[in-house]
Amino acid sequence: NAGVTQTPKFQVLKTGQSMTLQCAQDMNHEYMSWYRQDPGMGLRLIHYSVGAGITDQGEVPNGYNVSRSTTEDFPLRLLSAAPSQTSVYFCASSYGGLGKDTQYFGPGTRLTVL
Amino acid sequence: GQQLNQSPQSMFIQEGEDVSMNCTSSSIFNTWLWYKQDPGEGPVLLIALYKAGELTSNGRLTAQFGITRKDSFLNISASIPSDVGIYFCAGPHTGTASKLTFGTGTRLQVTL
Repeated sequence: NAGVTQTPKFQVLKTGQSMTLQCAQDMNHEYMSWYRQDPGMGLRLIHYSVGAGITDQGEVPNGYNVSRSTTEDFPLRLLSAAPSQTSVYFCASSYGGLGKDTQYFGPGTRLTVL
Repeated sequence: GQQLNQSPQSMFIQEGEDVSMNCTSSSIFNTWLWYKQDPGEGPVLLIALYKAGELTSNGRLTAQFGITRKDSFLNISASIPSDVGIYFCAGPHTGTASKLTFGTGTRLQVTL
């Protein structure tokens, strides 16, 4: 199993540009999440999904969109990038449910918005 | 919202020393998770705790679920250089395991 994969690893955008961060998992996990990590802070939840076709907002959803058309993929879209979105983005997946909430994280995407 | 505060923020220790760190919350958690993040990597789960008072070990790591359910502790015995990294506590939001609240992290650096 490849686990959780994320592409790209690094990205530089100009303010106002749009892009999609890709996330895929091959563990047949129902639950997937996107987090951002800023210097000196823990991870903060952006959006999450409990299954194909179901998504919901996390702690910091503004400026981001998600969709979950398949169990395997959970892309994160930035519609109009802003410097405040400069961060490291992590995707995670888990089986979900009490006692099964081990989240497996991808390697991260480092995004810089100029 | 739920917040998790970790202390210390960072620590330098000598190889072979024992390490203790803790995580406190203003609200109750029913699950406590401890993750480690190596430089340039995503977090990796070390220990999961599901019951107040529970004490769980994973090799040289031992974690405890506080009886008030508002805190948790992680101990590392006989530290080695590969213990370097950032340690995060985390807990799921009530009702769903897919929404984790993370602590601010404890950065551990080991000197030889």
